[in-house]
Amino acid sequence: NAGVTQTPKFRVLKTGQSMTLLCAQDMNHEYMYWYRQDPGMGLRLIHYSVGEGTTAKGEVPDGYNVSRLKKQNFLLGLESAAPSQTSVYFCASSYYGGATFSNYGYTFGSGTRLTVV
Amino acid sequence: GQQVMQIPQYQHVQEGEDFTTYCNSSTTLSNIQWYKQRPGGHPVFLIQLVKSGEVKKQKRLTFQFGEAKKNSSLHITATQTTDVGTYFCAGPSGGGADGLTFGKGTHLIIQP
Repeated sequence: NAGVTQTPKFRVLKTGQSMTLLCAQDMNHEYMYWYRQDPGMGLRLIHYSVGEGTTAKGEVPDGYNVSRLKKQNFLLGLESAAPSQTSVYFCASSYYGGATFSNYGYTFGSGTRLTVV
Repeated sequence: GQQVMQIPQYQHVQEGEDFTTYCNSSTTLSNIQWYKQRPGGHPVFLIQLVKSGEVKKQKRLTFQFGEAKKNSSLHITATQTTDVGTYFCAGPSGGGADGLTFGKGTHLIIQP
């Protein structure tokens, strides 16, 4: 199994450009998440989805939009990129939400390193 | 919302020494999870703790959940170079958000 696959792995954008990050999972997980990781800030939740057709805001949602049209895919969009969005973006998926007891935790993708100049 | 504080931010040890990282929450947690991220890699799930006072071991790693379910620790005995990386704790986000809030992580640096 591939697990969680993120594309692209690297991208450089100019300020004001738009792009979509794709996350695909083949584990039939209900829950999917987008996190950003910045030096000294740990992982911060951007948006998440508890099932196909649903999305919800996380801790730092401004400047991002998401869609979950198919259960296996979770898209993260940047409509007008800003230098403050330079970061490493991780997608994750899980059987259960954060408050549920589980022996599996989250499965993360390998990340997308985005630079906005 | 939920806040999870983790200390220390960095820890330098000599190979063979022990290592401990601590995690503290402002509120009681229903569970706490631990993840490891190798340099340049992605977080990998290690374990989840659920019960008050719970202790779990994975080879040289010992995980503890406090009696009040507000703190947790990860202890590594006799570190090896393969232990290098950042260790994160994470708890339920709360406030209606069904995700995990991660601590900022402890970077473990091992000197041979």
